[in-house]
Amino acid sequence: EAGVAQSPRYKIIEKRQSVAFWCNPISGHATLYWYQQILGQGPKLLIQFQNNGVVDDSQLPKDRFSAERLKGVDSTLKIQPAKLEDSAVYLCASSLGGGGYEQYFGPGTRLTVT
Amino acid sequence: AQSVTQLGSHVSVSEGALVLLRCNYSSSVPPYLFWYVQYPNQGLQLLLKYTSAATLVKGINGFEAEFKKSETSFHLTKPSAHMSDAAEYFCAVRRANFGNEKLTFGTGTRLTIIP
Repeated sequence: EAGVAQSPRYKIIEKRQSVAFWCNPISGHATLYWYQQILGQGPKLLIQFQNNGVVDDSQLPKDRFSAERLKGVDSTLKIQPAKLEDSAVYLCASSLGGGGYEQYFGPGTRLTVT
Repeated sequence: AQSVTQLGSHVSVSEGALVLLRCNYSSSVPPYLFWYVQYPNQGLQLLLKYTSAATLVKGINGFEAEFKKSETSFHLTKPSAHMSDAAEYFCAVRRANFGNEKLTFGTGTRLTIIP
């Protein structure tokens, strides 16, 4: 089966610009996650969707980050405006459900903000 | 809140030697524990997980981990290291029986294999 797809793989922008990342989960997976992985740290959950509803967005900086999952399939994560500290790898993952189901990760998008 | 501490951000072992990556957790309730591996420029892949069944858990690629409640540990081991094991390894925790609760990851251990 096809894995989790993400695009673009790399992105370089200047601070205060906006950027968007796209994720297409594994077919049939109801739960979708966006993680931020800063260099030298473990992934941190930004937002979790169950179908097209938000389960957890407690660590999403809502003043600049937004995410949507229209129709409960693919998802977009946006940053506007970007700050230097947003430089990180943004990982998308999906699972059949929440809780104990295994999460399958995409390759990530490496964002550099200059 | 749940947390994990991975001792040693970098570990080097010789090919064929024992691999031991350390993870200690903190949780107010029984935890579920996970080990993930990340190869360069790739996403994370689940190696193994503990979900309150057997305390010795076997995973892919010859790795295993033992849940020790008395030591609050979940160390990852492999008897004989292979060059292909070079990667970054993450330990993660979440509370058992708490539905959709998110995973909390450690800061990772980069494993280098010496030929």
